[in-house]
Amino acid sequence: SYELTQPPSVSVSPGQTASITCSGDKLGDRYTCWYQQKPGQSPVLVIYQDTKRPSGIPERFSGSNSGNTATLTISGTQAMDEADYYCQTWDGSTVVFGGGTKVTVL
Amino acid sequence: QVQLVQSGAEVKKPGASVKVSCKASGYTFTDYYIHWVRQVPGQGLEWMGRINPNSGGTSSAQKFQGRVTMTGDTSISTAYMDLSRLTSDDTAVYYCARGDSWLDPWGQGTLVTVSS
Repeated sequence: SYELTQPPSVSVSPGQTASITCSGDKLGDRYTCWYQQKPGQSPVLVIYQDTKRPSGIPERFSGSNSGNTATLTISGTQAMDEADYYCQTWDGSTVVFGGGTKVTVL
Repeated sequence: QVQLVQSGAEVKKPGASVKVSCKASGYTFTDYYIHWVRQVPGQGLEWMGRINPNSGGTSSAQKFQGRVTMTGDTSISTAYMDLSRLTSDDTAVYYCARGDSWLDPWGQGTLVTVSS
């Protein structure tokens, strides 16, 4: 079965750039999306089709996907961005999630 | 606005079944799949399966095949997920989510606790 690997945690200072990676075999050949989940809340879509932002998602969130790695970048990170982030792709007719990355804004 | 509202928390005994509902509003129910995703406390997201409300066709993760049943009632724009033969490992928050390639939005989640 297809697997997506994320680092368990990423730390970033306020105002700096956070990069969260998601690795999988030839992941760049598939579309990837990203979800943000704050404690006690449901996940929220922040990036879809590798690079697109849903309406209402701040421009500081961006995505890329090439080779074996998709990346979610948060530019000018704010305290409100502290959350868990999950990448997601498809393996045939099955949805696959990464294990999640906890972003801490120090 | 597009919204998914799920049924309330459940407490079940081992071996029992649970049925969670997900009522959709703000869009045409039959135009999008409904997915079911669960999250064990403190852990990550786990996809369980999806249903095409238009056709009733379903697909599920291998782990849950034979134990999960997903249905939909188009007359009331509601999807259901039934999980049988519960064990303590099934204690989790269960989410429904609308989507085809990506999932958006998500329901508020339903906590299912399995305890003797």
